[in-house]
Amino acid sequence: QSALTQPASVSGSPGQSITISCTGTSSDVGGYKYVSWYQQHPGKAPKLMIYDVSNRPSGVSNRFSGSKSGNTASLTISGLQAEDEADYYCSSYTSSSSYVFGTGTKVTVL
Amino acid sequence: EVQLVESGGGLIQPGGSLRLSCAASGFTVSGNYVSWVRQAPGKGLEWVSVIYSGGSTYYADSVKGRFTISRDNSKNTLYLQMNSLRAEDTAVYYCARGKSDIVATLDYWGQGTLVTVSS
Repeated sequence: QSALTQPASVSGSPGQSITISCTGTSSDVGGYKYVSWYQQHPGKAPKLMIYDVSNRPSGVSNRFSGSKSGNTASLTISGLQAEDEADYYCSSYTSSSSYVFGTGTKVTVL
Repeated sequence: EVQLVESGGGLIQPGGSLRLSCAASGFTVSGNYVSWVRQAPGKGLEWVSVIYSGGSTYYADSVKGRFTISRDNSKNTLYLQMNSLRAEDTAVYYCARGKSDIVATLDYWGQGTLVTVSS
């Protein structure tokens, strides 16, 4: 199972919006609504930010939103804040009943 | 409060075996699906394995036939038996709980345990 493809890095200024893409295939992202996004700060465990493509867990800011079109899912962070600087990973269920993560994106707040 | 605490990591020679444990509290491992995810130093997340409440297990191709996921319901603990270890298995290993009634979504994570495979 190949990792989902994400841009290595994305940056933005405070207050701006950024979007991270996550491209897979019809056997994972394109075939299911089971796409999640995780935030990871250095030295910390990942934190769930979005599940089922566009749902936010309780406690996650509404500045985070998710969407999907075909084989590509996206995470948008609006009103970028310094605390959003972290690594972000997408994840999807697959046709082989396994899970697959994305390659990861480093978000930098300028 | 949901908590997961991994243990059992350490330095092991190539070809060796190691068993990781993940003690859960605030939920039952028998009633949820629970997964192992690893992260090599400076690298991204890699899904390793999952065990569902019904007992079904699945593995990443990279560990299939070498790793075994299991649980002890009486101890509310998840395990990962790792055999025939290779240098490329070096990573922080996280256990994570599956979000109830939601597929392939890990909502609580432990802090991880480091496994180093080296001679």
